[in-house]
Amino acid sequence: QIALKESGPTLVKPTQTLTLTCTFSGFSVTTYGAGVDWIRQPPGKALEWLALIYWDDDKRYSPSLNNRLTITKDASKNQVVLTMTNMDPVDTATYYCARRGPGLGLDYWGPGTLVTVSS
Amino acid sequence: DIQMTQSPSSLSASVGDRVTITCRASQTISNYLNWYQQKPGKAPKLLIYATSTLQTGVPSRFSGSGSRTDFTLTISSLQPEDFATYYCQQSFSTPFTFGPGTKVDIK
Repeated sequence: QIALKESGPTLVKPTQTLTLTCTFSGFSVTTYGAGVDWIRQPPGKALEWLALIYWDDDKRYSPSLNNRLTITKDASKNQVVLTMTNMDPVDTATYYCARRGPGLGLDYWGPGTLVTVSS
Repeated sequence: DIQMTQSPSSLSASVGDRVTITCRASQTISNYLNWYQQKPGKAPKLLIYATSTLQTGVPSRFSGSGSRTDFTLTISSLQPEDFATYYCQQSFSTPFTFGPGTKVDIK
């Protein structure tokens, strides 16, 4: 069965770089059409789409984050990594990774990981 | 970026009620519209993709319709487990923006 799980630090200081890893099973990120997205949700607020990496290594980012994001994949480890530079307290949120399904909806999600940005 | 809006932002309803949530895109997105349900402390769950296709395992009381810029999620007979927040998302062009959500709670 398909599963995803996010991992990374729970607390980062302002200006630091956040690195989050999505480890998944049950599918291959190199299969034609596959993709993994990152989404975040500040406490009590709405979902915000961040980035996506496709099977062919095509990468898309949210323009609102001003080039702070980098997404990569390691198919041999079944992992997708998101880095976000210059962290700020407003980046405090639960960060999710999710699989892009055949119908283009996000059909499987990790449980999320809460990242707090504070000095 | 394509902006997504939802109405209402919240609603109170009773078990058995028919509930309709509307989502509007700032430009045409064809049928590239998804709906998610989120319960407190949990990850979102995909309900409907491509405007009207029910994700496997989702009860048939959920349905979706619409096209271009205007879309609707309908719950035909609200059940206790349906009290949650619902989000629409466009998958037409990146960034794949979400709507602000509609919270459905118990009247």
